[in-house]
Formats: sequence, structure tokens, C-alpha cells
Amino acid sequence: EDQVTQSPEALRLQEGESSSLNCSYTVSGLRGLFWYRQDPGKGPEFLFTLYSAGEEKEKERLKATLTKKESFLHITAPKPEDSATYLCAVQAANSKLTFGKGITLSVRP
Amino acid sequence: DTGVSQDPRHKITKRGQNVTFRCDPISEHNRLYWYRQTLGQGPEFLTYFQNEAQLEKSRLLSDRFSAERPKGSFSTLEIQRTEQGDSAMYLCASSATGVGYTFGSGTRLTVV
Repeated sequence: EDQVTQSPEALRLQEGESSSLNCSYTVSGLRGLFWYRQDPGKGPEFLFTLYSAGEEKEKERLKATLTKKESFLHITAPKPEDSATYLCAVQAANSKLTFGKGITLSVRP
Repeated sequence: DTGVSQDPRHKITKRGQNVTFRCDPISEHNRLYWYRQTLGQGPEFLTYFQNEAQLEKSRLLSDRFSAERPKGSFSTLEIQRTEQGDSAMYLCASSATGVGYTFGSGTRLTVV
């Protein structure tokens, strides 16, 4: 069975304090690993798709990386508006996504 | 049509009542998914359509749940005889390629 574990469960940062969010996974036949951002009361918003180990993608202050067992979401010099829950998910051949529980990020001004 | 639309945004119902939610996917997307999310958890897969065919259903989808996608366009998710444990956010997503989804804003169900 596909599994995704995210850590830490919650992270509090000072504005400008860079950090990383971890996503460990096991999946049979990875089609893609996804990062989503979710604000309270809203649906997940797509951030990145990573397909193979060694791949990296960047968007503004966010950078996602992938190994055969883990993915990291690096946040550089975060701002208060980066506060949200960050979800990691894997997709196997059967098309459904398996999500982790998410990491709640709070960035203090 | 810029995104996945879900209606209603919020639903409060009494235990034992039936409820129905609607999802309108992005028009060119032929794949449609339903997920359920409870507080502090990630979304959990419920069911998946390709065009009008329901291709997969989770064990989470009890006999009280039914989903349809007539004509391969919008989809409905019905819950019969609601229970308090059904309280959750119900998320719909669509995809053109099957790799990666676009999610709607969800329907928040509260069973009292």
C-alpha cells in the first residue's frame, strides 16, 4: 500500500528564517510526487510535480526536490503570506493520489 | 471556465437526511475524482471517473455513498442516511492527463 509521511506536523518560523519540509514515501511505480498548498477552508492549490529522483523545481521562495525515498520543500526567506498547510502526495499507476497529513506552516512577522 | 466548481460550499444537515453535492470540472478534463478530508488529515480518495465510467471506488465509499457522472460532464456525490462521521470536507478534482489534478474549493458537510 502506498504511504506518505510528512514531518514535522507543524512548523513556526520567523519571517526570513529559511527551512525545509520533509515528505517520505513508499509507492509501487511512482508516476509523480506532488506538492500542494492548502489555506483554511479551501481546496488544495497545486505547487509542483516531480517525476524522477534528482529532479528539482522552483517557484518564488519555494524549491522542491526529489530522491527515491523523500521529497523536500525548501522555503527561502519566508513571508507571513506563506503561512498555510503544505500537502505532499504520490501518484502510482492507478491514478489516485495518496496524501500525507500535511505540515502546518506559520510565519511570524 | 477557469477552475473546478463545487456546490454548495457549506451544507448543514440533520443525521439521517440525504445530501447531494455537485462538481463541475474544468471543461476539457475527462477525469474526475472525489476525495474526503477531515480535520488534521490529508485528503482521502473516494472514487474516480473517466468520462462517464466510474473506474475505481475506495473501501471508504460505503453503500450509503453513490456518485454519478452522466454524460461525462458534471458529477454528483450523494450520501444517504447521513451520520455524524460523515462530517468532512468533500473535494472534487479533475485532470486531463491523469497525472496531477486541479482541486475545487470543496463542500463542507456538517451533520448535526
